[in-house]
Amino acid sequence: DTGVSQDPRHKITKRGQNVTFRCDPISEHNRLYWYRQTLGQGPEFLTYFQNEAQLEKSRLLSDRFSAERPKGSFSTLEIQRTEQGDSAMYLCASSASDRVDEQYFGPGTRLTVT
Amino acid sequence: AQSVTQLDSQVPVFEEAPVELRCNYSSSVSVYLFWYVQYPNQGLQLLLKYLSGSTLVESINGFEAEFNKSQTSFHLRKPSVHISDTAEYFCAVSKVSSASKIIFGSGTRLSIRP
Repeated sequence: DTGVSQDPRHKITKRGQNVTFRCDPISEHNRLYWYRQTLGQGPEFLTYFQNEAQLEKSRLLSDRFSAERPKGSFSTLEIQRTEQGDSAMYLCASSASDRVDEQYFGPGTRLTVT
Repeated sequence: AQSVTQLDSQVPVFEEAPVELRCNYSSSVSVYLFWYVQYPNQGLQLLLKYLSGSTLVESINGFEAEFNKSQTSFHLRKPSVHISDTAEYFCAVSKVSSASKIIFGSGTRLSIRP
């Protein structure tokens, strides 16, 4: 298995545009997590799925953010009407439900909003 | 709620010197404890973790961390560092009762001088 993959790796967009990121978890993992990491900080939890169900959302996830995992495999994170404060690294992780203590992280998508 | 404090944002040390990266956490419930490492231009990787049992845990590359419940600490140590240990290190916790999201500290950048 090649691990967690994310696409794109880098995204530059203008303020006000919508962006969508994709995450493909490790194939046998049924839990998928999204985190955001700003410069000089540790990752901050955004949301997580078990299969296709979104079980928890952080208060950081404003109405402009939406995440989906329609078939319980890959996930998408969409940001509408981007703002400069959305510039960050968006990380995806996955785990097996019986190993929730062990999350494997993808390389991240770096978003720059100009 | 849980929180993690890494007091040292940067730690410069000479090669082959010992190092300690400090981590303190706050939680009213039992937690799992982790150290993650982020090498330059790479994704987050799990370095070591404490779940239960022996309070001293070790990684495959010579790091160790000791869970100290009375001091709510989980400091990371290595007796002799190498240039290849240059990276950012994140201490993290998650609740035992519903281990899902991971709460990260702000990170410590370890720089090794030859």
